[in-house]
Amino acid sequence: ETGVTQTPRHLVMGMTNKKSLKCEQHLGHNAMYWYKQSAKKPLELMFVYNFKEQTENNSVPSRFSPECPNSSHLFLHLHTLQPEDSALYLCASSQESGGFNEQFFGPGTRLTVL
Amino acid sequence: ELKVEQNPLFLSMQEGKNYTIYCNYSTTSDRLYWYRQDPGKSLESLFVLLSNGAVKQEGRLMASLDTKARLSTLHITAAVHDLSATYFCAVDIQGAQKLVFGQGTRLTINP
Repeated sequence: ETGVTQTPRHLVMGMTNKKSLKCEQHLGHNAMYWYKQSAKKPLELMFVYNFKEQTENNSVPSRFSPECPNSSHLFLHLHTLQPEDSALYLCASSQESGGFNEQFFGPGTRLTVL
Repeated sequence: ELKVEQNPLFLSMQEGKNYTIYCNYSTTSDRLYWYRQDPGKSLESLFVLLSNGAVKQEGRLMASLDTKARLSTLHITAAVHDLSATYFCAVDIQGAQKLVFGQGTRLTINP
């Protein structure tokens, strides 16, 4: 595997379900990110992890719970979601080097909440 | 709070024409990135611009950065259908390992 991978690629869940999204980066980066992309809004940053520590939480509802067990893996645990949470969830990673922070994105998980 | 604004948000053009997408941002930064996103797909890095006056070119796309004007441009030369996609600019917040993205410009190139 190379780059940033995400599983599953598609997920349909009911509002009472609990599911998790997984992201893995094979780039040796020290930071990982969750973004939400929906039709009505631009790319929204949800969480940032730097060396496994959460450094940013952009007022995300508690029904989204991130977990970063190490610098290569990032999870997004989902529970009691709402239909408006249906979106493309993108994971990214970066390694700040020489003053720049280019982010590399995974393929995304297309989430549909019924 | 850093704001990044792109214009236009939608652009429909004919093959063979030239056009420019603009990216304005509201606070000091000398690091800017351009990404491409095809429908239903993820974001692909196109250009990294790291200083005032930086210019990068790849095929029919050319990106530039003017940090004094807080403006980046993505110029398309002699457009072809394969360039149809949504293009995002993103600005690096210095000292915080995160980017702020523009709204995206949906580009459609018609034969």
